[in-house]
Amino acid sequence: DAKTTQPNSMESNEEEPVHLPCNHSTISGTDYIHWYRQLPSQGPEYVIHGLTSNVNNRMASLAIAEDRKSSTLILHRATLRDAAVYYCILRRVQGAQKLVFGQGTRLTINP
Amino acid sequence: KAGVTQTPRYLIKTRGQQVTLSCSPISGHRSVSWYQQTPGQGLQFLFEYFSETQRNKGNFPGRFSGRQFSNSRSEMNVSTLELGDSALYLCASSPQADITDTQYFGPGTRLTVL
Repeated sequence: DAKTTQPNSMESNEEEPVHLPCNHSTISGTDYIHWYRQLPSQGPEYVIHGLTSNVNNRMASLAIAEDRKSSTLILHRATLRDAAVYYCILRRVQGAQKLVFGQGTRLTINP
Repeated sequence: KAGVTQTPRYLIKTRGQQVTLSCSPISGHRSVSWYQQTPGQGLQFLFEYFSETQRNKGNFPGRFSGRQFSNSRSEMNVSTLELGDSALYLCASSPQADITDTQYFGPGTRLTVL
């Protein structure tokens, strides 16, 4: 299974941008980078995904390094509701529905 | 559209018993995956079903099994329960089995084994 490395925890202030890093040095050319988050007492929820180019959606932006060995999830203006564990996951064509979750980054937002 | 539903939400069993958990995917979704979440091991993949066929299986003992019905609803069964099976069991559905498909998770079933 493709491995990702994330910091265990990060802290930020409300209404400030948050940059969550992820290293995936063993990524292969066809691996997609997905981000999910898990709010307290809930199941994980999808945030964003990308292959090579940077991606934006209503929740966040995903910046992918040119060599694809790392990526950064960007929350532009964090709110208290963004406090969650964020998981960076590589998905491969073979076994694509098998999400391999690492330990993730626990994000704390200070009011 | 209704989300993924899981029943029951909470369950208490004793060692040696068996348990069946149910998952109803989002209408129209054909792929269902199951995950186990514990404080020590985090989120771990159990298995995935697509069109009633198991396509992928995680590294769990044979006591863990599952199935999918023609309406895409899925059940997982754990036989001969052990204390270590206490966990949150999460079900996720997606439209197909495509690598870019979003997986939508249910709220989970919290199983406590005494």
